[in-house]
Amino acid sequence: QSVLTQPPSASGTPGQRVTISCSGSSSNIRNNYVYWYQQLPGTAPKVLIYRGNQRPSGVPDRFSASKSGTSASLAISGLRSEDEADYYCAAWDDSLSSYVFGTGTKVTVL
Amino acid sequence: EVQLVESGGGLVKPGGSLRLSCAASGFTFSTAWMNWVRQAPGKGLEWVGRIRSKSDGGTADYAAPVKGRFTISRDDSKNTVYLQVNSLKTEDTAVYYCAADPRLAASPFDYWGQGTLVTVS
Repeated sequence: QSVLTQPPSASGTPGQRVTISCSGSSSNIRNNYVYWYQQLPGTAPKVLIYRGNQRPSGVPDRFSASKSGTSASLAISGLRSEDEADYYCAAWDDSLSSYVFGTGTKVTVL
Repeated sequence: EVQLVESGGGLVKPGGSLRLSCAASGFTFSTAWMNWVRQAPGKGLEWVGRIRSKSDGGTADYAAPVKGRFTISRDDSKNTVYLQVNSLKTEDTAVYYCAADPRLAASPFDYWGQGTLVTVS
């Protein structure tokens, strides 16, 4: 069972801003970096955000992330049809001594 | 170009074993930490474990559900990481991805393979 909780779904129309939350605890999100991954249908995940709010080259600046206490969030601004995918947060958990992933959020572009 | 190619998946009976392989290219494998992540059909991602580079000790860590049953090893001469899966249970059915951390101060799962499906039935 996932230690990090995300809403199962989120949606918006093209151009809108969508925000995905990731709720954890002091043993994971509060004390460690949060990472975000995008998984397009039928493909392997790819890194979207690393070390809290850094984007790899090639990831548009429409994607941004933040953290406050034991929660983190990913924002997608200027939503586009190609953003339809599953999104996962991840962090190291000090108590479990393992990486933990969020439950995943399916983003639909209406 | 970075490539991670998994192989070795298949259909196995409960209690059986498999050895998954992940061949890497396009980055410095010997200094990378290598992870295995799995995804049950229609479900989310689950970290399975990782192995450090030899220069960082070469030791492995495992998630609780697989500890004692799964073993990660690496052969730097072949740029390959392995996942030995024993005492398989139906709940181990999943696509198994290898994911590389090239230790460039970015993500622990910077590069991903396409996955190999393990079905326990």
